[in-house]
Amino acid sequence: AQSVTQPDIHITVSEGASLELRCNYSYGATPYLFWYVQSPGQGLQLLLKYFSGDTLVQGIKGFEAEFKRSQSSFNLRKPSVHWSDAAEYFCAVGPIYNQGGKLIFGQGTELSVKP
Amino acid sequence: GAVVSQHPSWVICKSGTSVKIECRSLDFQATTMFWYRQFPKQSLMLMATSNEGSKATYEQGVEKDKFLINHASLTLSTLTVTSAHPEDSSFYICSARGPGGGEQYFGPGTRLTVT
Repeated sequence: AQSVTQPDIHITVSEGASLELRCNYSYGATPYLFWYVQSPGQGLQLLLKYFSGDTLVQGIKGFEAEFKRSQSSFNLRKPSVHWSDAAEYFCAVGPIYNQGGKLIFGQGTELSVKP
Repeated sequence: GAVVSQHPSWVICKSGTSVKIECRSLDFQATTMFWYRQFPKQSLMLMATSNEGSKATYEQGVEKDKFLINHASLTLSTLTVTSAHPEDSSFYICSARGPGGGEQYFGPGTRLTVT
């Protein structure tokens, strides 16, 4: 069955420090992978997506993610975190075409940024 | 591009009444929309998948008679919470499958409070 695991529920980093959020997935075929960000009381914003091709994808707000098939991972990175990056981050895999095209979401990682 | 709106952004209703939430894709046509429910500090829980012109597909455990979904056009889906009770209070988020067919674009969410 398809699944997404984000091992870290909460991460705190200092402003200016680098960031890596982990995401592992289980999917029977070549996955489409996504990272979304959610600020409190808001909807989700797409940061980046991987469909095929270059395994290092660039997204908005200076984020990037690397698809590693051998490790079933799609970790999100940012070289220098800004205070405004504090939010909830969700990794997702899909669409699951035999289930209406839905996405499978991880549990989310809450990012706090220390000044 | 790929903007999804929701209305209202927040609503307070009395127990036993019904409330309708609208989800619109503003600059693209969405044959498939999704409705989620999110509890504080938790991931999104898919409630149903809505396809234009056909009946919605509900996830296991979601009461279809309580959460009525209509997707009458390629840009509008509605969720009606019927006979609302305090336990229905939650953050409801819709999404629309994007023009590329893989990613989903999310609305800003609707905060429902039932008193």
